[in-house]
Amino acid sequence: GENVEQHPSTLSVQEGDSAVIKCTYSDSASNYFPWYKQELGKRPQLIIDIRSNVGEKKDQRIAVTLNKTAKHFSLHITETQPEDSAVYFCAARGGMINAGKSTFGDGTTLTVKP
Amino acid sequence: GAVVSQHPSWVICKSGTSVKIECRSLDFQATTMFWYRQFPKQSLMLMATSNEGSKATYEQGVEKDKFLINHASLTLSTLTVTSAHPEDSSFYICSARGDGGRDTQYFGPGTRLTVL
Repeated sequence: GENVEQHPSTLSVQEGDSAVIKCTYSDSASNYFPWYKQELGKRPQLIIDIRSNVGEKKDQRIAVTLNKTAKHFSLHITETQPEDSAVYFCAARGGMINAGKSTFGDGTTLTVKP
Repeated sequence: GAVVSQHPSWVICKSGTSVKIECRSLDFQATTMFWYRQFPKQSLMLMATSNEGSKATYEQGVEKDKFLINHASLTLSTLTVTSAHPEDSSFYICSARGDGGRDTQYFGPGTRLTVL
């Protein structure tokens, strides 16, 4: 099945700096890559997603890039704020063999220091 | 839009009892629902995928007789933990995906299960 690796597991940045989280996936047929933010004790919330026919997507301070050839995608957060502190999960939705299932990375705990 | 509710939000039960958790899509029809288990500071582990009106597909290593999943309607799926034991204590989260082949999964708020 699909294997998703996420790095780093923890990331600490100063307020205002940028944060980058990277994920790689194994199923070349995967076609949908969402990113979720989960605050302590709360549900994961979709913050941005990208489909395999697009290389980059931006939404205000958040952007996601996808390199299909290398099978990796990244989350970029600019001008970080303390409220960005949370656990971020990437996911890859599988191709035909894994159709319908999303495999999640292990998560990155982001801490933004004021 | 795209709200998923889960009930109860937390439950404490004695070892050997069964616990039912409900997952509802409030404003859309969920053709597919997923059940995850999450341990502290860990990722979401998919337990099973259920499609309305058909049997759930369980992930490897998940006992289908212990974790009974029913997806009887397009807005409701239930997970029943049968004969719960302390090692079943965890955070259980459901998610729902709408019809029309849309990709986005919307998560419920989760259920904290503690088995004494």
